[in-house]
Amino acid sequence: QQQVKQSPQSLIVQKGGISIINCAYENTAFDYFPWYQQFPGKGPALLIAIRPDVSEKKEGRFTISFNKSAKQFSLHIMDSQPGDSATYFCAASKGMDSSYKLIFGSGTRLLVRP
Amino acid sequence: DAGVIQSPRHEVTEMGQEVTLRCKLISGHNSLFWYRQTMMRGLELLIYFNNNVPIDDSGMPEDRFSAKMPNASFSTLKIQPSEPRDSAVYFCASRPGDGLGDTQYFGPGTRLTVL
Repeated sequence: QQQVKQSPQSLIVQKGGISIINCAYENTAFDYFPWYQQFPGKGPALLIAIRPDVSEKKEGRFTISFNKSAKQFSLHIMDSQPGDSATYFCAASKGMDSSYKLIFGSGTRLLVRP
Repeated sequence: DAGVIQSPRHEVTEMGQEVTLRCKLISGHNSLFWYRQTMMRGLELLIYFNNNVPIDDSGMPEDRFSAKMPNASFSTLKIQPSEPRDSAVYFCASRPGDGLGDTQYFGPGTRLTVL
């Protein structure tokens, strides 16, 4: 019940295309859903995050879509660029009850071809 | 403003040796998380501290692993004795504090190779 399942494992997109990464969770107590971006040799960095009181959040070319009833959330990268090539992790946490302990998905390696 | 600082960045050691990884939190942060990243197991939370107190160490693999926060801004992760299966990238991350946001800020990691 603590798991966050992420798909696909890898993704290849042409420059200018849309990248979509999906995550699903079981624990309905989760109340914070961030996406982290990790470049080779670097630590993960927060990209965008959402709480379950909204169904969508957009920041520039990055959008999180959240479906509370289906217990799914996804990251959409519009107009994908070669510089977006990285590994993306979804995560979930339960807030103060668990001191914001993040449960990470398995990661998606995105390659954007020029 | 300096981010999370980890040292060393790379460590190569032989099986049976003691390894100590170090982490300096972002100033003012009071939660500290240690993660291990491998291709097979992804990002695993090992242990986390809140206000210098260990809250959950259920992710620590075994007694060979220990972590401390001797003060509010510094933490160590020790492996004694090290084994080849401990080879991984170890990250620490800090968080501002309760009510100040959920974001965890990761350090650059320590790549550990145990021969």
